[in-house]
Amino acid sequence: GAVVSQHPSRVICKSGTSVKIECRSLDFQATTMFWYRQFPKKSLMLMATSNEGSKATYEQGVEKDKFLINHASLTLSTLTVTSAHPEDSSFYICSAEGLGETQYFGPGTRLLVL
Amino acid sequence: GENVEQHPSTLSVQEGDSAVIKCTYSDSASNYFPWYKQELGKGPQLIIDIRSNVGEKKDQRIAVTLNKTAKHFSLHITETQPEDSAVYFCAASGRGNDMRFGAGTRLTVKP
Repeated sequence: GAVVSQHPSRVICKSGTSVKIECRSLDFQATTMFWYRQFPKKSLMLMATSNEGSKATYEQGVEKDKFLINHASLTLSTLTVTSAHPEDSSFYICSAEGLGETQYFGPGTRLLVL
Repeated sequence: GENVEQHPSTLSVQEGDSAVIKCTYSDSASNYFPWYKQELGKGPQLIIDIRSNVGEKKDQRIAVTLNKTAKHFSLHITETQPEDSAVYFCAASGRGNDMRFGAGTRLTVKP
């Protein structure tokens, strides 16, 4: 149980284009999902908290207009990186909150912007 | 907000030995402490967690201890195996969804 999927697993795009990453909780419903960014050999950096049916809450320093988050259902949250640039290249990981605040992570999406 | 510190940053042990990773937290209101294992190129996987009303929890070769007074908790892996090699993250949360992660420990188990 408590499986979270992410799609795509990796994506390469040109600078200036937008990229959408999907996060799904496969066998449970998640009112809250989280989006993290992880640089090589570094810890997880929380970008935003996504609540179903309401606007996402962004961490300080994260541009909400650049990283658009939509949480339209209890099993799906999407992160869209708009007008991507090479500095946006990173490993993006989502998590879904299950019972008792436990976060279950997806496998991550590696984004490379050329 | 919560601040979590994790030590050591790297740990190398011989197969069969034990490994211990320690974390401290700053917010006394934190009441949930999970540990995650992350293999290269993958997302973190929950391996064990503990809540503030429990001092110790064990699951086969993995155990976690919590000292609320000192605000620190530790992960213990016994009889380590090469497949235990990974990066381990501790985390702490309490107020709402404010979970904070440690910097990670890269564990290498030498066969």
